[in-house]
Amino acid sequence: DAGVTQSPTHLIKTRGQQVTLRCSPKSGHDTVSWYQQALGQGPQFIFQYYEEEERQRGNFPDRFSGHQFPNYSSELNVNALLLGDSALYLCASSLLVTSYEQYFGPGTRLTVT
Amino acid sequence: GDSVTQMEGPVTLSEEAFLTINCTYTATGYPSLFWYVQYPGEGLQLLLKATKADDKGSNKGFEATYRKETTSFHLEKGSVQVSDSAVYFCAESLGYSTLTFGKGTMLLVSP
Repeated sequence: DAGVTQSPTHLIKTRGQQVTLRCSPKSGHDTVSWYQQALGQGPQFIFQYYEEEERQRGNFPDRFSGHQFPNYSSELNVNALLLGDSALYLCASSLLVTSYEQYFGPGTRLTVT
Repeated sequence: GDSVTQMEGPVTLSEEAFLTINCTYTATGYPSLFWYVQYPGEGLQLLLKATKADDKGSNKGFEATYRKETTSFHLEKGSVQVSDSAVYFCAESLGYSTLTFGKGTMLLVSP
């Protein structure tokens, strides 16, 4: 049973560019959440998707957007990248009814130069 | 907003020492509480959880008890191993909402 997978593993972008990160949830899960983890900090919630709709959103600007596909996989898009967007981006999947119990992928390390 | 506070690290111990990492939360009501572990270069793994007051979560020798009266969920292990070296995150979740994490505590265990 495959767990949560994310791609790419690492990414280097320049300020002002746009980036797309991808996530495939654990088999059987219907809900995907995205988190940003800055160096030395705990993960910060960005948003959560269920049935292809954004259910909840954390305190992140509109430059951060997402999408969920019919197969439950998800994308995180960040526009107009800033140096401060450099972080580990974690995807977590769950069932909606037990969305407090989340399973995390290995993350995508984004570096903005 | 809700927050989780955990003791600052690094916590440095010798192998077979007793471990305690303190965690307190602020959410009102009855949140679910979690400990996650992050090994170097990896994502987060759920270590243990407790969903109601007085519950004790346990896994791999680690334990934590949900204390409503002190809003705490301290992580303990009787005898740590070098392989336990990692960063430990305490987290809370209220209802169907998402997780709120503490800043993490690094544990370093020496032989």
